[in-house]
Amino acid sequence: AQTVTQSQPEMSVQEAETVTLSCTYDTSESDYYLFWYKQPPSRQMILVIRQEAYKQQNATENRFSVNFQKAAKSFSLKISDSQLGDAAMYFCAYRRNYGGATNKLIFGTGTLLAVQP
Amino acid sequence: EAQVTQNPRYLITVTGKKLTVTCSQNMNHEYMSWYRQDPGLGLRQIYYSMNVEVTDKGDVPEGYKVSRKEKRNFPLILESPSPNQTSLYFCASGLPGIGQGGEKLFFGSGTQLSVL
Repeated sequence: AQTVTQSQPEMSVQEAETVTLSCTYDTSESDYYLFWYKQPPSRQMILVIRQEAYKQQNATENRFSVNFQKAAKSFSLKISDSQLGDAAMYFCAYRRNYGGATNKLIFGTGTLLAVQP
Repeated sequence: EAQVTQNPRYLITVTGKKLTVTCSQNMNHEYMSWYRQDPGLGLRQIYYSMNVEVTDKGDVPEGYKVSRKEKRNFPLILESPSPNQTSLYFCASGLPGIGQGGEKLFFGSGTQLSVL
């Protein structure tokens, strides 16, 4: 079974600084996607970034980028120039790319990020 | 506006009193799913549906029921709620097709349920 592990329950960063959130996963599949979701106090689940396992190039979305290490099964999220609005719970998630019932997202336990002014 | 609508947003009930959390999507998605979120456990799938009248268990289905009589609606039913079902619940919808694993899942805004 696939699992996703986030070993940092809480992190803190100063405004304008850079922070990296860690995520590791376990799977025997070769075709899958990885995601980072942001959950602010409003509880809304917001997709931050996604990475296809077959793509070697790391995904980037503005101030958010990932370091995808397929062999090590590691998928960390880097937030540059942190802003107060980045304060949230961040979930790492995995999904197989075979569609159907495997559309299930498997989530990690989350990392609560605080941004200090 | 594309959205998944969940109701209610907050619910306090007592043990054994049947309740239903509603979920509706306006994107004509075939796939819908329910998750529960608990501290230290992340989100776990309760049930999912691939289409009308097609539902199946997720990872934590005990104590829950679902139905999918219409494409847009996927209610979650707790026939006899217990305190261990106190949790934050999310409905989600999306595209289930082969090779669409990267497609975005749309989440509702969550229902915080407390069972006393």
